[in-house]
Amino acid sequence: QLQLQESGPGLVKPSETLSLTCTVSGGSIRTSSYYWVWIRQPPGKGLEWIGSVYYTGSTSYNPSLKSRVAISIDTSKNQFSLKLTSVTAADTAVYYCSRRPATSVAGSEYFDYWGQGTLVSVSS
Amino acid sequence: SYELTQPPSVSVSPGQTASITCSGDKLGDKNVCWYQQKPGQSPVLVIYQNIKRPSGIPERFSGSNSGNTATLTISGTQAMDEADYYCQAWDNNSYVFGTGTKVTVL
Repeated sequence: QLQLQESGPGLVKPSETLSLTCTVSGGSIRTSSYYWVWIRQPPGKGLEWIGSVYYTGSTSYNPSLKSRVAISIDTSKNQFSLKLTSVTAADTAVYYCSRRPATSVAGSEYFDYWGQGTLVSVSS
Repeated sequence: SYELTQPPSVSVSPGQTASITCSGDKLGDKNVCWYQQKPGQSPVLVIYQNIKRPSGIPERFSGSNSGNTATLTISGTQAMDEADYYCQAWDNNSYVFGTGTKVTVL
């Protein structure tokens, strides 16, 4: 059974960089069949896609966050990571890592496995 | 940017049918999926590509999509279906989630 587990600091100071890692177990991250994704959810609010990474290192980002986001992948460790720079209180959220099957039809994608999520608070 | 609008809340009696709508411009031309999220838990995919159910999702969950509205239908709603539900689609190289609907089973 595939499992995804987020890890990283639960508290980040304003203007600093938020860094999280997702460790995947029960399957290899080095596959052409899936993309690896970060999604966040502010407390009491809805879901927001942050970005995705392919095993080749190719990335795509939410245009609203693109200037501050970097997602990378380490296939040797079966992990992928998120960095979000210049954080503010608005970046306080539960951050989820997830998996997206690579589909043959663009726009038909979905997120089929999710980690348990990790709460990151931005506060001084 | 593209927006998906859902009613904030839907109430349903046990055993009855709950319908949750998701509205967006020409949404019927897109593929829509739906997620269930219970308090303190991660979202779970319940419908993908408009009408398909992942393995392990009960048959009482079904989806449709036409015009500007996608609908998630829960037939024979059970107490365990009480949760928040989010629709999701892809537009302009970005994944967009709906505003979310809280389903209450009274």
